[in-house]
Amino acid sequence: DAKTTQPPSMDCAEGRAANLPCNHSTISGNEYVYWYRQIHSQGPQYIIHGLKNNETNEMASLIITEDRKSSTLILPHATLRDTAVYYCIVRVGNDYKLSFGAGTTVTVRA
Amino acid sequence: SAVISQKPSRDICQRGTSLTIQCQVDSQVTMMFWYRQQPGQSLTLIATANQGSEATYESGFVIDKFPISRPNLTFSTLTVSNMSPEDSSIYLCSVEGIGTGIQETQYFGPGTRLLVL
Repeated sequence: DAKTTQPPSMDCAEGRAANLPCNHSTISGNEYVYWYRQIHSQGPQYIIHGLKNNETNEMASLIITEDRKSSTLILPHATLRDTAVYYCIVRVGNDYKLSFGAGTTVTVRA
Repeated sequence: SAVISQKPSRDICQRGTSLTIQCQVDSQVTMMFWYRQQPGQSLTLIATANQGSEATYESGFVIDKFPISRPNLTFSTLTVSNMSPEDSSIYLCSVEGIGTGIQETQYFGPGTRLLVL
């Protein structure tokens, strides 16, 4: 699977949009971009995934660049409960393996 | 998504003993997995639990140390054998292929926090 690069940490203001970047410059045409988050000591929570089109659900939006070499997860209105480690993962659609990197530690401040 | 539960949620064990962790899903799933998360680290896949056959282990993990069972489509166990303090970790079950869930998406249980003294 292609590797991803994320900033180790970032701070966000409560109520503002949080934009989390991820680079995946070696992504293949059949690899999806997945986002998970892990709130302290809990199991990872699935957020969203996409192949090449932008995606939106009740939790977040995923913006994938046209060349697919990078993406941004957008939390539209960050709350204190969004403080977590966010993982960007690329994965071939029919390959079950999820390779978790270090992720981005996001701290939402009041 | 399915409701995934793990038992026990946490335990403190003595070195040399073994602990069996259970993972129960409230609906049938195609695939079940076991991960380990060592303190301050990210998740590492231990193995895929296969129904009716031996689990498929990732590099660095062996059946003698982490025997796994999967008797049906909703249940699996992971045993951590002959434990040492280095086995202190969070052990997580995940599932994929839920009938009503998003396809090709893994969902995780709450984890089992193990401390070995």
